[in-house]
Order: sequence, then C-alpha cells, then structure tokens
Amino acid sequence: GQNIDQPTEMTATEGAIVQINCTYQTSGFNGLFWYQQHAGEAPTFLSYNVLDGLEEKGRFSSFLSRSKGYSYLLLKELQMKDSASYLCAVQDSNYQLIWGAGTKLIIKP
Amino acid sequence: ETGVTQTPRHLVMGMTNKKSLKCEQHLGHNAMYWYKQSAKKPLELMFVYSLEERVENNSVPSRFSPECPNSSHLFLHLHTLQPEDSALYLCASSQVYGESNEQFFGPGTRLTVL
Repeated sequence: GQNIDQPTEMTATEGAIVQINCTYQTSGFNGLFWYQQHAGEAPTFLSYNVLDGLEEKGRFSSFLSRSKGYSYLLLKELQMKDSASYLCAVQDSNYQLIWGAGTKLIIKP
Repeated sequence: ETGVTQTPRHLVMGMTNKKSLKCEQHLGHNAMYWYKQSAKKPLELMFVYSLEERVENNSVPSRFSPECPNSSHLFLHLHTLQPEDSALYLCASSQVYGESNEQFFGPGTRLTVL
C-alpha cells in the first residue's frame, strides 16, 4: 500500500531551527510537496521537490532523497507565527497526491 | 474574488437534510478536487475532476454526490449523512500537465452532522 509517515507533533523554541521529517512508500513518484496549515485555515503551498537535493526558500528549506524515500522540511529562525501543521504529500504515478497526517509544530517563546 | 472560494464556511445539518457545498476557483485551472479532513488523519481525496470529467472517486459513499458544471465551479451535494461525516471539507484546484501540479485550497466548509 501507499504510506506517508511524519511525526505527529514537535515542539521548538522561538528563534531556533527545527527539522520535520517525512518518509514515504508510494506506487511511483512524481514529486513531493510540503504544505503549511494554520488551525482552522486552508493548507498553503510551501515547497516542491522532484530531484534529489536541497531547495531553499527564505527561512524554509526542503530536502529530498528519492533512493531513501525521505524528505525533510527545515525551518530556521522560528517565529511564533510558524506554529501550524506541516503536511507532506507525494505525487504518485497517477499524479494524485498521497498525504501524510501532518506534523503539528508548537513554538514556545 | 481571488484564489479558491468555498461556501458556506460552516454548516450544521441533520441526518435527513439535503444540502450542497459550493466551490469556485478564479485561477484558470483545469482540475478541481474535494477532500475530507478529519482530526489527526491524512487528507482524504474524495473526488477529482480533470477537464470537467470525473477521474477519481475513491469509493466515496453515495450520500456524497459531486457536480462539476464547468472548470471553475464544483459542488458537493449531501443527503442522509451520518455523524461520522462531520469534518472539514476542502476544495482545491490545480493545473494538470503543469510543472508541479501544485494544488491551491479553499478555506473549507466545517460540517457538523447531528
């Protein structure tokens, strides 16, 4: 079957760095997405990786290793507004998104 | 209006009611999606319309009935729902055959079935 695993919850301190991991097993691979979802709001797109390596976008970076079925989202200089759920999703061979359950990130002052 | 809009934002209905959720996208996309989001569970894809044709329904119960009259509008008709159908229903759109097929989400409808 298809499976996306990510930690349920993480806690970090304002100003610090946090890494959210995602491992996947899917039928085919056509890219991996990270989305941010604040409580009661819609998911919003953060990043897309289709090739191995690190993609940097401001304070956020996303890494992909296709051979290991692994990705991580790295958040630097954490701010209180970064408290949200972070969703990992893989696009399978049919170009459908398979979603993880999300990681709730709690930022403490 | 910009992006993806959904109405209503909140809906409370009894098990014998009939209601409809509406979604509209203003992005010129050619695919639209209905998702169900329950607490601490992955997003569940319910229906996909690509180029106005349904391509996926993922074994959704028949009490949920989608309608896509054109590439900008998507409806989800609800009837004789169960309490376990209470969830956040999200609509999304994307441009298939694009570089990343990134999906843009609406704000969702919070549905409570009594």
